[in-house]
Amino acid sequence: DAGVTQSPTHLIKTRGQQVTLRCSPKSGHDTVSWYQQALGQGPQFIFQYYEEEERQRGNFPDRFSGHQFPNYSSELNVNALLLGDSALYLCASSTGTSDRGTQYFGPGTRLTVL
Amino acid sequence: TQLLEQSPQFLSIQEGENLTVYCNSSSVFSSLQWYRQEPGEGPVLLVTVVTGGEVKKLKRLTFQFGDARKDSSLHITAAQPGDTGLYLCAGSGGYQKVTFGTGTKLQVIP
Repeated sequence: DAGVTQSPTHLIKTRGQQVTLRCSPKSGHDTVSWYQQALGQGPQFIFQYYEEEERQRGNFPDRFSGHQFPNYSSELNVNALLLGDSALYLCASSTGTSDRGTQYFGPGTRLTVL
Repeated sequence: TQLLEQSPQFLSIQEGENLTVYCNSSSVFSSLQWYRQEPGEGPVLLVTVVTGGEVKKLKRLTFQFGDARKDSSLHITAAQPGDTGLYLCAGSGGYQKVTFGTGTKLQVIP
């Protein structure tokens, strides 16, 4: 049973560029959440997708957008990259019917903005 | 805004010692999770607690959810070098909106 997978593993971009990160949820999961984790800090919630709709959103600007596909996989897009966007981007999957918040995380994508 | 404060932020102990990590909030959560994260990897779920006052054990790790569901603790008995990592608590409100704590970085020295 494959867990949560993310691609790419590492990415280097320059300021002003755009980036797309990808996530495939754990088998049987239909909800995908994205987090940004700066070095030495806890993950910060970006948004959550369920049934191809954004269901929850954290305190992130509109430069951060996402999408969920019919197979439950998801993309995170960040436009007009800033140096401060450098972080580990984590994807987590869960089942949409559970309110218990139990999520399973992927290994993350390390984004470096130069 | 729901905030979760963890203490201590850093902990360096000798192998075999006991330790407790605390996770506190002024908000009530429907459930609380504990994760361990190693450098360059995603957090790995250790436990979910749901009921106020609930205690769960995972080998040498004991997790407790406060009676009012606002706080939690993680106690490790006889710490091992393999316990080294970043410990994160995370509280869940409605529709699985999850707030992570500030993290506790644990180093267990052989």
